[in-house]
Amino acid sequence: AQKITQTQPGMFVQEKEAVTLDCTYDTSDQSYGLFWYKQPSSGEMIFLIYQGSYDEQNATEGRYSLNFQKARKSANLVISASQLGDSAMYFCAMREGRRTGANNLFFGTGTRLTVIP
Amino acid sequence: ETGVTQSPTHLIKTRGQQVTLRCSSQSGHNTVSWYQQALGQGPQFIFQYYREEENGRGNFPPRFSGLQFPNYSSELNVNALELDDSALYLCASSPDTLSRGGNTIYFGEGSWLTVV
Repeated sequence: AQKITQTQPGMFVQEKEAVTLDCTYDTSDQSYGLFWYKQPSSGEMIFLIYQGSYDEQNATEGRYSLNFQKARKSANLVISASQLGDSAMYFCAMREGRRTGANNLFFGTGTRLTVIP
Repeated sequence: ETGVTQSPTHLIKTRGQQVTLRCSSQSGHNTVSWYQQALGQGPQFIFQYYREEENGRGNFPPRFSGLQFPNYSSELNVNALELDDSALYLCASSPDTLSRGGNTIYFGEGSWLTVV
């Protein structure tokens, strides 16, 4: 079974509108972390936001927020007030466990977001 | 700027050759991991190094090997290159404990490898 599932290969959003990118995960660990990264065409993986499994509040970072629904095992990324520069690939990723030094991330297949002027 | 730098940015190799990719981790980060990202896919974990020792490996053959140095920089070596090794290779670094921001995993800009 896939550990991270992103069901939207591509998404379009009008500039200044909000968009939600879906992510579901599969793990039997009680402790895990969820990440979202943005990857422009240059290839660099840009860290956007992090949610720990024990965090009670949804994470927010500027225009990015993570809609964390633990019982449904979903961690959707919400981008508010979309900008043209938001056009890129977006990856959801998970790290299992709390082992020291562990940064083995499982990535989804990504969602290509296109912001329309 | 993530503080993680990789070199070279692009390179072309011939099938059967060997390649070494380099990564300088962010200051204070002693955990480095490497990922392979084939075209149109998400990154796949190759292995990671913690305090100069390999302490985790993904589903990659032994011809993928690595090193971590005392300054926590790292190398990825791939022997006997195959056409399917053509990919973007990403290096990521993080602090060693969650209490010190271990949720922060930063990536470099990657090395684009083409095998012909």
